[in-house]
Amino acid sequence: DIVLTQSPGTLSLSPGERATLSCRANQSVSSTYLAWFQQKPGQAPRLLIYDASIRATGIPDRFGGSGSGTDFTLTISRLEPEDFAVYYCHQYGSSPTFGQGTRLEIK
Amino acid sequence: DVQLVESGGGLVKPGRSLRLSCAASGFTFSTHAMNWVRQAPGRGLEWVSSISDDSDYIYHAESVKGRFTISRDNAKNSLYLQMNSLRAEDTAVYYCVASRWYFGSVYWGQGTLVTVSS
Repeated sequence: DIVLTQSPGTLSLSPGERATLSCRANQSVSSTYLAWFQQKPGQAPRLLIYDASIRATGIPDRFGGSGSGTDFTLTISRLEPEDFAVYYCHQYGSSPTFGQGTRLEIK
Repeated sequence: DVQLVESGGGLVKPGRSLRLSCAASGFTFSTHAMNWVRQAPGRGLEWVSSISDDSDYIYHAESVKGRFTISRDNAKNSLYLQMNSLRAEDTAVYYCVASRWYFGSVYWGQGTLVTVSS
């Protein structure tokens, strides 16, 4: 199975700052089958990015995804108050897996 | 509007069985792969099972292989998860997830809580 390791575990930033979240795989993710989800307390996850860099419908352009192979990044260019949440990377090849999550909290 | 409504969760004793259902509406169910993803209390997301749009391909996580069975009925727009030999570590919110990755079409239900405890 592909193991996804997200870093940092917790990221403390202020609104308006730039957030950079990392997701590293222990083997290459096929065809950039890599997605990012946002989850707020008590809610189901929401798809932000798929195919490593394509924003899902309705996702603001301050969210950006990049990477290939084993290293992927989610960037939030200017944090809004509603962006503070937990973020998960997810590879959706055969035998899908999730990263353990990065908590983005208000500093 | 897209809706995925899970049902069938509850409190069950270790070793017993439970069947989860997911009723889909607002999108073309038969063109989407369907998945179950779970989240233990205070923990991260764990993929459980997937089934292709035509049921030709089925996958289960190692942690549930041989105990859980995913199935679907496209005529009823419904997804199921038969869970046997339940263990305490299966305690989680179980989410029904529709996916058609080529189009970035991914929908989540609100989840149903399964608690395995004596």
